[in-house]
Amino acid sequence: AQSVTQLDSQVPVFEEAPVELRCNYSSSVSVYLFWYVQYPNQGLQLLLKYLSGSTLVKGINGFEAEFNKSQTSFHLRKPSVHISDTAEYFCAVSQRPDTGTASKLTFGTGTRLQVTL
Amino acid sequence: DGGITQSPKYLFRKEGQNVTLSCEQNLNHDAMYWYRQDPGQGLRLIYYSQIVNDFQKGDIAEGYSVSREKKESFPLTVTSAQKNPTAFYLCASSEQGGSYNEQFFGPGTRLTVL
Repeated sequence: AQSVTQLDSQVPVFEEAPVELRCNYSSSVSVYLFWYVQYPNQGLQLLLKYLSGSTLVKGINGFEAEFNKSQTSFHLRKPSVHISDTAEYFCAVSQRPDTGTASKLTFGTGTRLQVTL
Repeated sequence: DGGITQSPKYLFRKEGQNVTLSCEQNLNHDAMYWYRQDPGQGLRLIYYSQIVNDFQKGDIAEGYSVSREKKESFPLTVTSAQKNPTAFYLCASSEQGGSYNEQFFGPGTRLTVL
């Protein structure tokens, strides 16, 4: 079984300040990792994903995340946030599939990023 | 424009009634998914389908049913057996059911039981 923990339910930050949204996962096998963003009353949009290779992943809107296997973490960062970054952010994990194993995404409970002036 | 459409955007249901949520995609994706979103609980998988005429239960399938008669369509029925159906429902699709594939999400349907 796999699980995802997003330690912060809400993160308030001032505009132009840096931000880090934390994500830790638990899995007995190798995983793929994702960050999605959700604006109010909308669906989810992919920010970035880690499949393999470089542990630093760059995504859309200036976001990046670093995969740390030893700490089982995949924290999301942005060096300078904008008001328009106010949204809910979800970390998700899926297992690298064995033959015949169906794939599923497991989501964290989300972090609400609130950017103010 | 390719994408996923869900209808209706808002849906009200009386207790004891079944209701069907629509999900259509024109991305030519093989796999489709239904999630339920509740405040503070993230997204939970209800059902998913990797090919036409085949689908599997997710983590919270009780009280729900689906069909996959066409590649483009994956309707979800919320039955009267679902004890707490008020939630935001999201449909998604991906090129294949492989776990490395990005899932594309629709705009969601908010269901309220009166």
